[in-house]
Amino acid sequence: EVQLVQSGAEVKKPGESLKISCKGSGYNFAGYWIGWVRQMPGKGLEWMGIIYPGTSDTRYSPSFQGQVTISADKSIDTAYLQWSSLKASDTAMYFCARSAERSLSTWFDPWGQGTLVTVSS
Amino acid sequence: DIVMTQSPDSLAVSLGERATINCKSSQSVLHSSNNKNYLAWYQQKPGQPPKLLIYWASNREYGVPDRFSGSGSGTDFTLTITNLQAEDVAVYYCQQYYTTPSYNFGQGTRLEIK
Repeated sequence: EVQLVQSGAEVKKPGESLKISCKGSGYNFAGYWIGWVRQMPGKGLEWMGIIYPGTSDTRYSPSFQGQVTISADKSIDTAYLQWSSLKASDTAMYFCARSAERSLSTWFDPWGQGTLVTVSS
Repeated sequence: DIVMTQSPDSLAVSLGERATINCKSSQSVLHSSNNKNYLAWYQQKPGQPPKLLIYWASNREYGVPDRFSGSGSGTDFTLTITNLQAEDVAVYYCQQYYTTPSYNFGQGTRLEIK
């Protein structure tokens, strides 16, 4: 079974750094794109960026370029989303999702269960 | 960036009736090379991640009930749910994958039971 399992909820203070993870199983992790999606409380889905673990080719949505860093370690089948200095406005649920096909132009399935990040002083 | 706009923002439909959700893209997502529409539909229930329902605008994902169907081409698309069931209460999103890496979503449509 293809599965993405994300790291647990985090509570951080403004200015702190954070790295959350998304571990794939049941497929060749290096061969499919992994994307990250933000969902702020009570709001819709926002596409953040995407990485191809096999080459670490990373693309960011313009709204998130420079705000977060996406990375992956194909040796442990894990993708990451990190912040160097969190803001209260980063409070949200973050989902990872796998490309359904190996190409960049594809829908996404499956999705991870989500990681809730709360940033509060 | 392609902007995706859904309508309505919310709707209430009686059990057993039909629900129709529309999605409009700011530019065509029909690729001339393969005549495919680069559009997907997802369902998100409270506390859960999104679930894929439809891809290529009209292809139902394996295991999705056949009361869910997608249609449309170019810039105008529709998700139709016939014989509405209580478990269909959710927020529904369309997403384009024509231009990458900004796989923009619609703002979502909240479906409730009347």
